[in-house]
Amino acid sequence: KQEVTQIPAALSVPEGENLVLNCSFTDSAIYNLQWFRQDPGKGLTSLLLIQSSQREQTSGRLNASLDKSSGRSTLYIAASQPGDSATYLCAVNTGNQFYFGTGTSLTVIP
Amino acid sequence: DAGITQSPRHKVTETGTPVTLRCHQTENHRYMYWYRQDPGHGLRLIHYSYGVKDTDKGEVSDGYSVSRSKTEDFLLTLESATSSQTSVYFCAITPDRDGYTFGSGTRLTVV
Repeated sequence: KQEVTQIPAALSVPEGENLVLNCSFTDSAIYNLQWFRQDPGKGLTSLLLIQSSQREQTSGRLNASLDKSSGRSTLYIAASQPGDSATYLCAVNTGNQFYFGTGTSLTVIP
Repeated sequence: DAGITQSPRHKVTETGTPVTLRCHQTENHRYMYWYRQDPGHGLRLIHYSYGVKDTDKGEVSDGYSVSRSKTEDFLLTLESATSSQTSVYFCAITPDRDGYTFGSGTRLTVV
C-alpha cells in the first residue's frame, strides 16, 4: 500500500519568506501527484498537478517538483503572504486511487 | 465548487439510523469518489465509481454502501450510523483518473 508522509506537520513563517513543503511516498510507481490547499472548514482546492513524466509545475508563486525515483515532491511558495495560511495536502495517484498525506498546516505571520 | 455539489452540507443523526449523502456533478466525468477526512488520518477512500452501476471498495468501506444509477449522481449510504462514522465526507470527480476536483464536503455527526 502506498504511504504518503508530509513533514513538517505545522510551519509558521513571517510574511515575505520563501518556504518549502515536503511530501514523500513509498512506492515510486505513480500516475501523477497533486497538491491541494484546504482552508479551515472548507473543501480542497487543487493547486498543481504533476504527471509522472514531469519534473515540475509552476503556477504564480507556487512551484512543485517531483522526483519519482526517490519518492519525493516539494511545494515551493515564494514571497509568502498571510493569505497563504492554510493546510497543504499532497496526494499520490497510483492509477486506481489517490493516497493522501495528513498535510502541513502553514501559518504566515504578518 | 464548480461542477460538483454535495448535499446536505451538515447533518446530525442518531446512532443506528440510515443516512444517505449525495454527490452531484455537471461535468459528465466518469470517475467519482467518496472520501472521509478525520484528524490524524487525512483523507481515506471509502468507495469509488468508474461508471454507471460500476463501483468498487476503498480502504475504509465497512459500514458504507454506494450507488450510481446516473452519471451525475453518486450516493453514499451509511446503513446503520455509528459514532465512529462522525466525520467530514468529501466527494471527488475526475475525467480519467487525472487530477481531482473536490466538493465542499458534508459534515456528519452521529450522536
